[in-house]
Amino acid sequence: KQEVTQIPAALSVPEGENLVLNCSFTDSAIYNLQWFRQDPGKGLTSLLLIQSSQREQTSGRLNASLDKSSGRSTLYIAASQPGDSATYLCAGQTIADGLTFGKGTHLIIQP
Amino acid sequence: EAGVAQSPRYKIIEKRQSVAFWCNPISGHATLYWYQQILGQGPKLLIQFQNNGVVDDSQLPKDRFSAERLKGVDSTLKIQPAKLEDSAVYLCASSLVVAQVVGEQYFGPGTRLTVT
Repeated sequence: KQEVTQIPAALSVPEGENLVLNCSFTDSAIYNLQWFRQDPGKGLTSLLLIQSSQREQTSGRLNASLDKSSGRSTLYIAASQPGDSATYLCAGQTIADGLTFGKGTHLIIQP
Repeated sequence: EAGVAQSPRYKIIEKRQSVAFWCNPISGHATLYWYQQILGQGPKLLIQFQNNGVVDDSQLPKDRFSAERLKGVDSTLKIQPAKLEDSAVYLCASSLVVAQVVGEQYFGPGTRLTVT
């Protein structure tokens, strides 16, 4: 059974810093990995999807990497802004199953 | 393109009452999911449909939860009777299936259930 762990659980940094959020998973048979953003009281917004054949995906200031052999993914946020404050969730999927989520990293960007 | 729609957005009920949630997926998405997100946790898959059929309901508490997806489009999730621990946000998601491979999941805004 897939298990997903996210570290750290919470992070507070000054505006402008680059930061890395970590995600680890136990089942290397992962088919894809998604990073989501969740604002308080809101649903999930998909940020990046990495297929198992890929090693990374980029969207604007966000870059996500996937290393199946080590069971790890990272989300890199460049030049952080207060609007980036949210909870970031990592989720892994095998070929035909639903997503298995981590508990998330609660990120606060201080102005 | 319209996203995943859910209703109601909020619901407050007393324990032992029943409640139903509705989801309308993105047009053309064959796969539909219901997730439960308890405060401070990541979402947990309850049930996965592909078209009309159930693919995975291993984490659905079947003594009180039921779900159906008539005609392979809209879906309803029901809880009867509700318990205090069912207080959570219920998220619906949908995705395309291409060559038997499930793609990126798109989530609705969720229904926040409070059981008192």
